[in-house]
Amino acid sequence: RKEVEQDPGPFNVPEGATVAFNCTYSNSASQSFFWYRQDCRKEPKLLMSVYSSGNEDGRFTAQLNRASQYISLLIRDSKLSDSATYLCVVNRGGLTGGGNKLTFGTGTQLKVEL
Amino acid sequence: EPEVTQTPSHQVTQMGQEVILRCVPISNHLYFYWYRQILGQKVEFLVSFYNNEISEKSEIFDDQFSVERPDGSNFTLKIRSTKLEDSAMYFCASSGFDEQFFGPGTRLTVL
Repeated sequence: RKEVEQDPGPFNVPEGATVAFNCTYSNSASQSFFWYRQDCRKEPKLLMSVYSSGNEDGRFTAQLNRASQYISLLIRDSKLSDSATYLCVVNRGGLTGGGNKLTFGTGTQLKVEL
Repeated sequence: EPEVTQTPSHQVTQMGQEVILRCVPISNHLYFYWYRQILGQKVEFLVSFYNNEISEKSEIFDDQFSVERPDGSNFTLKIRSTKLEDSAMYFCASSGFDEQFFGPGTRLTVL
């Protein structure tokens, strides 16, 4: 089983749509969870951390279900500029990033169209 | 806003040659990392570095690879004898105790 598994997509959605991405992880000892965004041939950039209580940042909502080892990202009111690959990322360390390796999923490609 | 920088942006080399990829992490960060991404594949961890020594490495990071922090600002990845399969985008990252910030990457092409 892959350490971090995502549907590769692509998800083609019209502007204004709501889209949801899911991710599962295999290591139950994982402690920190993130969604990164990667534009074509660019570096990954942190979109948001994911907490057990769920968290929201503007149009983006992330949820974590530790029991099911499942992470989700919801994007509301999609913009053309949201077109990118969304990477589910897991860190087994207790600290959110310090000194611990990040394990990436293969990413889910989103294309927002007019 | 502080950022991680990497040079060169693109490196072309012949199989068997040595390459050094360079990174300047964010100045007050303590942890440094190299990741790679083969075209069309996921980002993979190579190595983490703290307090002037390797803190963790992956199975990809064999004895052909080495890292060094030669001075107070640079962090380098050396591949001693490149193989075709080393062709990839190599990302440097640095962090304090939270978010890892990634550099723009060096695209390595081995011919």
